[in-house]
Amino acid sequence: EAAVTQSPRNKVTVTGGNVTLSCRQTNSHNYMYWYRQDTGHGLRLIHYSYGAGNLQIGDVPDGYKATRTTQEDFFLLLELASPSQTSLYFCASSDAGQSSYEQYFGPGTRLTVL
Amino acid sequence: QQQVRQSPQSLTVWEGGTTVLTCSYEDSTFNYFPWYQQFPGEGPALLISILSVSDKKEDGRFTTFFNKREKKLSLHIIDSQPGDSATYFCAASPNSNNRIFFGDGTQLVVKP
Repeated sequence: EAAVTQSPRNKVTVTGGNVTLSCRQTNSHNYMYWYRQDTGHGLRLIHYSYGAGNLQIGDVPDGYKATRTTQEDFFLLLELASPSQTSLYFCASSDAGQSSYEQYFGPGTRLTVL
Repeated sequence: QQQVRQSPQSLTVWEGGTTVLTCSYEDSTFNYFPWYQQFPGEGPALLISILSVSDKKEDGRFTTFFNKREKKLSLHIIDSQPGDSATYFCAASPNSNNRIFFGDGTQLVVKP
């Protein structure tokens, strides 16, 4: 079973602060994703990647950057955090080209921007 | 534009009852429809999925139905248990770019 870990699990920052959320998957999946989850909005895709050095824009990318440094590691960067970015962030991975397009999710990072 | 619409937003059922969640979509290219289950404090996890070539898939107490003509799907949980209390997400994908579009979720509470 795919293992996806995220760090930190909780983060509090101030408006204008710089935040990096980390994600690592250990099953050599091609695709990795960053979502945010807010009450009433479900899961919304921020950015995703199909391999090291690749980045694709999702549905709510404004205010976020992302970088895929290796097959395993995907980072989400908030360079000037705003209160509207207070949310629960999930990373996920999936294995392209297989019969199943299941996405495996990490445990989430709760971010609070004061 | 909301790609996947899900209802109800929340639902309470008694233990032993049948839960029905519904979902609709617009994009005709969608051909893979997973349902994800999320418990508090955890990430979502795949519960059951169906491809557009099928109209029903069953896994224990969980069954998903797909109606291609109406662009609708549903999740039925029979003999609902308190342990089924969770948020359920309907989703859809065209399977061409590994993107999955999620509904807003249904928060289910099963009362003993």
